[in-house]
Amino acid sequence: DADVTQTPRNRITKTGKRIMLECSQTKGHDRMYWYRQDPGLGLQLIYYSFDVKDINKGEISDGYSVSRQAQAKFSLSLESAIPNQTALYFCATSDGEGYGYTFGSGTRLTVV
Amino acid sequence: RKEVEQDPGPFNVPEGATVAFNCTYSNSASQSFFWYRQDCRKEPKLLMSVYSSGNEDGRFTAQLNRASQYISLLIRDSKLSDSATYLCVVNPNAGGTSYGKLTFGQGTILTVHP
Repeated sequence: DADVTQTPRNRITKTGKRIMLECSQTKGHDRMYWYRQDPGLGLQLIYYSFDVKDINKGEISDGYSVSRQAQAKFSLSLESAIPNQTALYFCATSDGEGYGYTFGSGTRLTVV
Repeated sequence: RKEVEQDPGPFNVPEGATVAFNCTYSNSASQSFFWYRQDCRKEPKLLMSVYSSGNEDGRFTAQLNRASQYISLLIRDSKLSDSATYLCVVNPNAGGTSYGKLTFGQGTILTVHP
């Protein structure tokens, strides 16, 4: 099993729908992150969490919300999906300051 | 100025060639540096950390120049399987709003052809 698992792998949804992307990890890391990737724009940070009770906005949090249900689980919600939220979404975990990230396989989201 | 800047390429090289990628970062207080590799439509994967003294892993060599705020990745004897996007990644580790977050460059595309 993968260390960081994202579900679903692919999703097509309609404009205005609420959608949740899920992330779970078996690495025992406290830190978890959500990024989106668009062609030519690189990785942009949406939200991050250093602990179950800690939630922080990233660069592009508008239109998104998150929930850290447990150390191992961090979900991302799009409250009312719009077409420009079509992107590849990655969840990542980290063991702490100075360490790199481990990424999940990504969720390809298309909003029509 | 972007926090992390890379030449996007693309770099097209023949098998067996040596290719070098450069990256500059803006925050002089940055403490940790990495190179990630990303295949098309896949997740980024850690290729190697970059240490102050420079480090090597097989055909890959990473260098750090703190004075010039510059990181490099050298790939020797390129293989077809090296074709990917290479991401330069910096941990500002400067406290405040940068604490605990890695900053990613946009990536350099490498294509190795027969």
